[in-house]
Amino acid sequence: DAGVIQSPRHEVTEMGQEVTLRCKPISGHNSLFWYRQTMMRGLELLIYFNNNVPIDDSGMPEDRFSAKMPNASFSTLKIQPSEPRDSAVYFCASSLIGANYGYTFGSGTRLTVV
Amino acid sequence: KNQVEQSPQSLIILEGKNCTLQCNYTVSPFSNLRWYKQDTGRGPVSLTIMTFSENTKSNGRYTATLDADTKQSSLHITASQLSDSASYICVVSGGAGSYQLTFGKGTKLSVIP
Repeated sequence: DAGVIQSPRHEVTEMGQEVTLRCKPISGHNSLFWYRQTMMRGLELLIYFNNNVPIDDSGMPEDRFSAKMPNASFSTLKIQPSEPRDSAVYFCASSLIGANYGYTFGSGTRLTVV
Repeated sequence: KNQVEQSPQSLIILEGKNCTLQCNYTVSPFSNLRWYKQDTGRGPVSLTIMTFSENTKSNGRYTATLDADTKQSSLHITASQLSDSASYICVVSGGAGSYQLTFGKGTKLSVIP
């Protein structure tokens, strides 16, 4: 298995532009997570999907952020409009919830908003 | 409030030496505790997962301990190698939902020749 695949690896965009991050979870995993990592705050959960349904989006900073999971093999995180304070590394992770099962993280997308 | 505190914040050791990283948590209810290794520019990779009934778990040169009574865990690295240079993150599962993870800020370990 290729693991959790995220794209792009790096994204530089101007303030106000729309940014879309993509994630392909591990086949067979029923849960998908989007996290944001910054030096100041560490890793923070943005949203959690179970069986493609958003279960907990309380970590989504504001309405500028939205996430979708149209099927079991694909998810997107969109920021519109982007702001400099959104600059961070965004990780997608997948898991098989229900057991003490490890979460597998992707390599992340480093977003820089200038 | 659920919290995970790690110490030290950073650590520099000589190649071949041992080291121990600490993790204290106040997550309730508790499900399990995980240690992750995060190389620069990469996502975290799981090293160990322990439930409340497990006191110790090893993964090669990495040995994690858990004291559920005092809510403390440690990660011991034996005979360190240059490739051990990374951030080590303590993560506790539990809280309101089984998917809830509380992350520590990590310990940045540098192994020098």
